[in-house]
Amino acid sequence: EDKVVQSPLSLVVHEGDTVTLNCSYEVTNFRSLLWYKQEKKAPTFLFMLTSSGIEKKSGRLSSILDKKELFSILNITATQTGDSAVYLCAGETSGSRLTFGEGTQLTVNP
Amino acid sequence: GAVVSQHPSWVICKSGTSVKIECRSLDFQATTMFWYRQFPKQSLMLMATSNEGSKATYEQGVEKDKFLINHASLTLSTLTVTSAHPEDSSFYICSASVRETGDTQYFGPGTRLTVL
Repeated sequence: EDKVVQSPLSLVVHEGDTVTLNCSYEVTNFRSLLWYKQEKKAPTFLFMLTSSGIEKKSGRLSSILDKKELFSILNITATQTGDSAVYLCAGETSGSRLTFGEGTQLTVNP
Repeated sequence: GAVVSQHPSWVICKSGTSVKIECRSLDFQATTMFWYRQFPKQSLMLMATSNEGSKATYEQGVEKDKFLINHASLTLSTLTVTSAHPEDSSFYICSASVRETGDTQYFGPGTRLTVL
C-alpha cells in the first residue's frame, strides 16, 4: 500500500523565520512528488519533482527530492503570515494517482 | 488557464437523499478526472479515477454503488452520493489532469457536503 508521511504535523513560527517541511514516501511505480498549499479550500499546486537533487524554486519557496532516500523537503524562507496554510505532499504513481500525506499545518505569527 | 470548477460549493441534505456534485474543466479538455474526499483535519483521500466514456476505477474501500461517477465528456464529471448518511458529510474535491502539461492535476474548489 502506498504511503506518504509528513512531519512535523504542525508548526508555529514568527514572521521572518525559515521553515523546513519534510515528506517521506513509499509509492509503487513512482512517477513524481508534488507539493500543494491548502488554505480554506482546495489545494493549489506548488511544485512537481521528478529528479533527485535538482532544487525547484519559486520566490521564497524551494523544494528538493531525494529518490534514493525516498524523501523530499519544502523550504520557506522569510516566512509571512500569508504563508499560514496546510502544506500537502503527494506521491504520484503511473496513471496519475496521488497519495497524499497528512499535511503540515503551518502557522506564521506576526 | 487550467481552471476547474465544482458545483455546488456547499450542500446540506437530509439523510437518505441523493446528492449530485459536478466537476468541470473550464478551459481545457481533461484526460482524466479524480474524486477525493477530505474529512476535517485529515488529508485528501482518493476515491476514484475516471476517464471520459469509461467506467470509473474505485479505490479499495470505496463503494461504487454508493458513490456513482459519470464522466460523460472531456469537460464534465459528476459524483452522486446515493442515500447519503451523516457519516458521508465531508469535503469532496475533484481534480482534472491535462496530458499536454504532463498530467498535472488541477483541483476544483471543493464541495462541502453536510448530511443531517
